[in-house]
Amino acid sequence: DAKTTQPPSMDCAEGRAANLPCNHSTISGNEYVYWYRQIHSQGPQYIIHGLKNNETNEMASLIITEDRKSSTLILPHATLRDTAVYYCIVSPGGGNTPLVFGKGTRLSVIA
Amino acid sequence: GAVVSQHPSWVICKSGTSVKIECRSLDFQATTMFWYRQFPKQSLMLMATSNEGSKATYEQGVEKDKFLINHASLTLSTLTVTSAHPEDSSFYICSAATGRAKDSQHFGDGTRLSIL
Repeated sequence: DAKTTQPPSMDCAEGRAANLPCNHSTISGNEYVYWYRQIHSQGPQYIIHGLKNNETNEMASLIITEDRKSSTLILPHATLRDTAVYYCIVSPGGGNTPLVFGKGTRLSVIA
Repeated sequence: GAVVSQHPSWVICKSGTSVKIECRSLDFQATTMFWYRQFPKQSLMLMATSNEGSKATYEQGVEKDKFLINHASLTLSTLTVTSAHPEDSSFYICSAATGRAKDSQHFGDGTRLSIL
């Protein structure tokens, strides 16, 4: 079973920041927080991951609370192409551990 | 970045046919690949873990004799749906483990299987 809880859906106006929350209160010390997204009829796409510190890349920023029990994915300037289902996953990462997907958040970016 | 190619992307066939799906890691070696299945409006469900040179590990409820997995090289895993029936119609997605904590797994673009 997935160890994360996400809202089922969110809307965001085009050009505004999209903030997607995720709760992972049972995360273990060796587990990373991963974010993937799935655009309709495609495979999941890696966005970002983090362990303790906040992270930023060309796609998004990841804010992890100090107790690591929750995190927020931030898309700074959402576009229509960011409409997708976003999955927050906790996993030890690498090696032979599969990613376990929850239901994710369906983000709709509106013009 | 790491690229995973999945083929075919879409297949329609008659009930009773066997269908093979290929998953290739194009620019890295993957000792471990994973196969997922996704029904409409649902999330991805792990079917099996495929390790190069050894037998696959199947999740509970997944029939190993129906879903044959072969991982003959470090860049190729295949999933064969044997004697497919309409209830096997689904979106099948593979992923390859990079062996790094960063980006962990890269996914193919999936195969939409429709059994008539």
